[in-house]
Amino acid sequence: SQQGEEDPQALSIQEGENATMNCSYKTSINNLQWYRQNSGRGLVHLILIRSNEREKHSGRLRVTLDTSKKSSSLLITASRAADTASYFCATDVGGGSQGNLIFGKGTKLSVKP
Amino acid sequence: NAGVTQTPKFQVLKTGQSMTLQCAQDMNHEYMSWYRQDPGMGLRLIHYSVGAGITDQGEVPNGYNVSRSTTEDFPLRLLSAAPSQTSVYFCASSTLGAGNTIYFGEGSWLTVV
Repeated sequence: SQQGEEDPQALSIQEGENATMNCSYKTSINNLQWYRQNSGRGLVHLILIRSNEREKHSGRLRVTLDTSKKSSSLLITASRAADTASYFCATDVGGGSQGNLIFGKGTKLSVKP
Repeated sequence: NAGVTQTPKFQVLKTGQSMTLQCAQDMNHEYMSWYRQDPGMGLRLIHYSVGAGITDQGEVPNGYNVSRSTTEDFPLRLLSAAPSQTSVYFCASSTLGAGNTIYFGEGSWLTVV
C-alpha cells in the first residue's frame, strides 16, 4: 500500500530558482526521509526528520514536517542542473527496529541550465 | 569501501526460468532488504532481514525467496519468472534501529519475456 504521495509528479524550473516538493502520508510515523534518485541509479539518502521535529536543514535543503496535516515538504534553494533527479519521500511507521520504509511515487525534478 | 553491491546489473529471462539476484554489503549492517521499483512508482518492499538466519516478508513477497546465511549476503531468488516481475530491483542495508541511514545498491534491471 502506498503511504506517501508526492506532489507535484513533475516539476521543471530554471537554474537558480527554488524547488518545492510536497509529500502527504496516511498513518502515524516515527520519521520521514527524503531520497534522491538520478536516472538509472540507486537511491541516495538526503535528510531525515523525526516525528517530533518541525523543520530541518542540510545545506541547500530544507525539510518541514506537519504531523497534524500528515505532510512534509522538501525545499531545494538555488537549484542547479545537477539537482535534476527524482525525489522520493519515505515514511518509517515503526512497529519494530527494522526501519522498513514505505515510499511514495516520487517527484521528477528537471532543472534547466 | 564498496557499500552495497548488486549483480547482475541487467538480465533478461524467459517466463518460467529461475534466477538469483545477488546482494552483498561490506559495512557489517544487520539489516538488509530488497525492493522493487516499477515505472512511475515508488519502491515496494519484497523481503527483509534483521540478521543472519532471520528473514521476513514485506509488502510484495509472492514469487520471491530470500535467505541470509551470512551478514554480508542477501540473495533474492525468483522461483519461476513471470512478466509481472519485470522491474528494477534494489537491495539496501543499514544498521538496526529506526532512523538510521539506509544505503541502496545501484539496481538490477530485470526483464521477463
